[in-house]
Amino acid sequence: ETGVTQTPRHLVMGMTNKKSLKCEQHLGHNAMYWYKQSAKKPLELMFVYSLEERVENNSVPSRFSPECPNSSHLFLHLHTLQPEDSALYLCASSQEMFLGLAGSHPNFGPGTRLTVT
Amino acid sequence: TQLLEQSPQFLSIQEGENLTVYCNSSSVFSSLQWYRQEPGEGPVLLVTVVTGGEVKKLKRLTFQFGDARKDSSLHITAAQPGDTGLYLCAATQGGKLIFGQGTTLQVKP
Repeated sequence: ETGVTQTPRHLVMGMTNKKSLKCEQHLGHNAMYWYKQSAKKPLELMFVYSLEERVENNSVPSRFSPECPNSSHLFLHLHTLQPEDSALYLCASSQEMFLGLAGSHPNFGPGTRLTVT
Repeated sequence: TQLLEQSPQFLSIQEGENLTVYCNSSSVFSSLQWYRQEPGEGPVLLVTVVTGGEVKKLKRLTFQFGDARKDSSLHITAAQPGDTGLYLCAATQGGKLIFGQGTTLQVKP
């Protein structure tokens, strides 16, 4: 099983729907992240979990609700989204939460391409 | 204003050509990373540079960290179609990883 997996890979939902994105990491890492990637914009960090505790929420609207039931799984629950929420949602994990140090980097999943109609 | 500015935003070249992409900032960073993202996949780490003036090579890719640790460049020699993708730089600030908006590279056979 590859390092970080995400399901579904593609999702189309209406603004009134409720759906969930799933992420699973098989690397034994302690930190997990949700990023949003929109065209021609930098990756936006949404949420950070360290040892299953949410340690960061970067002013993300409440229509996005993360859940981390254990250190291997991360969910992003979606409800009443807007068309501007259409983007690639990337999950990532790392051994420790603080990044950029030598030997420390996020391992990304393939992403879920979300389209809100 | 973005913390990390990448240029150019888009580059389309023929196989065999050389190219350089840039990542610039007015801030000083303790380290900087380069990632490549292929269509339908997440970003994959290529290199981390930590020392001002540092040069690292990865096959045909040469990465340089500026002396003042505010900027970096990625040079590709004799580009191949397999180099096609989105190149992202990222730097650590306050324990967080900040990304540039990316350079989309298309290498035509």
